[in-house]
Amino acid sequence: EPEVTQTPSHQVTQMGQEVILRCVPISNHLYFYWYRQILGQKVEFLVSFYNNEISEKSEIFDDQFSVERPDGSNFTLKIRSTKLEDSAMYFCASSEGNRLSEQYFGPGTRLTVT
Amino acid sequence: QKEVEQNSGPLSVPEGAIASLNCTYSDRGSQSFFWYRQYSGKSPELIMFIYSNGDKEDGRFTAQLNKASQYVSLLIRDSQPSDSATYLCAVFANRDDKIIFGKGTRLHILP
Repeated sequence: EPEVTQTPSHQVTQMGQEVILRCVPISNHLYFYWYRQILGQKVEFLVSFYNNEISEKSEIFDDQFSVERPDGSNFTLKIRSTKLEDSAMYFCASSEGNRLSEQYFGPGTRLTVT
Repeated sequence: QKEVEQNSGPLSVPEGAIASLNCTYSDRGSQSFFWYRQYSGKSPELIMFIYSNGDKEDGRFTAQLNKASQYVSLLIRDSQPSDSATYLCAVFANRDDKIIFGKGTRLHILP
């Protein structure tokens, strides 16, 4: 069964460093999303991406964040200068369509900023 | 502010019984609704997806949607210990290309 994959599973970085989180969405899906979940808190939307551009972003997704689809399979989230409060689980998700389509999550990347 | 509300629990249900999980949402124009199961330290796993009023059944799971009351529920029949997890209700916001999650309900199936 097709699934969303993410790498790495765990990333430890120092404050101020840049990190890139990688995702491979399900192959026939057209809509891509990043979410984060701080330990013990709810899942929060970061950004949605369709047709090679951002279609929606939250107030969390400030200038330190960027997304890219560098080739036909990968979807990346970059955090330019990490802060302690960026420590969280980051989930990638994908769907065939948007509002009336099932959205599937990857296993997540645990980001720890020290 | 668009909200999705769930009782945080824990909800304790004897094995073999029906577990009933509830969710309300504030955005009347919301179009589609998701139930995800999340085990501790794992990612959300899609259990049910519904966008039409009424019931949708898949195996032991039934999702019920009432758009007039802005209410969506999940029933789990013949509850198993492996159903013990946090259940997340999520709503696709009207006019926004994003899903809004509730805080989740912790379900504990008693053996």
